[in-house]
Amino acid sequence: EAEVAQSPRYKITEKSQAVAFWCDPISGHATLYWYRQILGQGPELLVQFQDESVVDDSQLPKDRFSAERLKGVDSTLKIQPAELGDSAMYLCASSSLGGPSYNEQFFGPGTRLTVL
Amino acid sequence: RKEVEQDPGPFNVPEGATVAFNCTYSNSASQSFFWYRQDCRKEPKLLMSVYSSGNEDGRFTAQLNRASQYISLLIRDSKLSDSATYLCVVNKEEGGSNYKLTFGKGTLLTVNP
Repeated sequence: EAEVAQSPRYKITEKSQAVAFWCDPISGHATLYWYRQILGQGPELLVQFQDESVVDDSQLPKDRFSAERLKGVDSTLKIQPAELGDSAMYLCASSSLGGPSYNEQFFGPGTRLTVL
Repeated sequence: RKEVEQDPGPFNVPEGATVAFNCTYSNSASQSFFWYRQDCRKEPKLLMSVYSSGNEDGRFTAQLNRASQYISLLIRDSKLSDSATYLCVVNKEEGGSNYKLTFGKGTLLTVNP
């Protein structure tokens, strides 16, 4: 069964350092999402891509976070500089289509970030 | 008011019990509704979609009341393996034909032997 791949699975960093997370969606999935999940909360959307284009980044803290999906396949989420409040699980998801009808989103295993 | 609100939990029930989760959403323009399940330290996975007519999948029954903006999930004859966090999820249009999932905080269920 096809899966969304993410790496690393765990990352510990000190505040003010830069971190990067990688996601490889299910093959053929045009839509890719990055979510942040703080302990005890539900996932919150950070950014959504349709192929290589950003569709929604309204909740992405653009002063420190950036995301790219240059060839419309895999994606990288970067935080620079990291802050203590960034400690969370970062989940990547993909779906076959975005737009007006819902297509199931499949989540990767996530990257658990701890900022010290 | 939060977009999606769930029972705060946690719920602790014995095996075989029936347990119900409740959820309300604030945006009447929401289009579709789901329950996701998330095991401890794992990713969320779709459990079932929720339809106005109600739908059932084995021991799981989901209901939607659009007038009340209310969603429910009923688990009958609960098993130890049902222990997880249950997330209520709403899909709504964000403009430009872009649809977005909004997750509730989740309700933790522990089924005890």
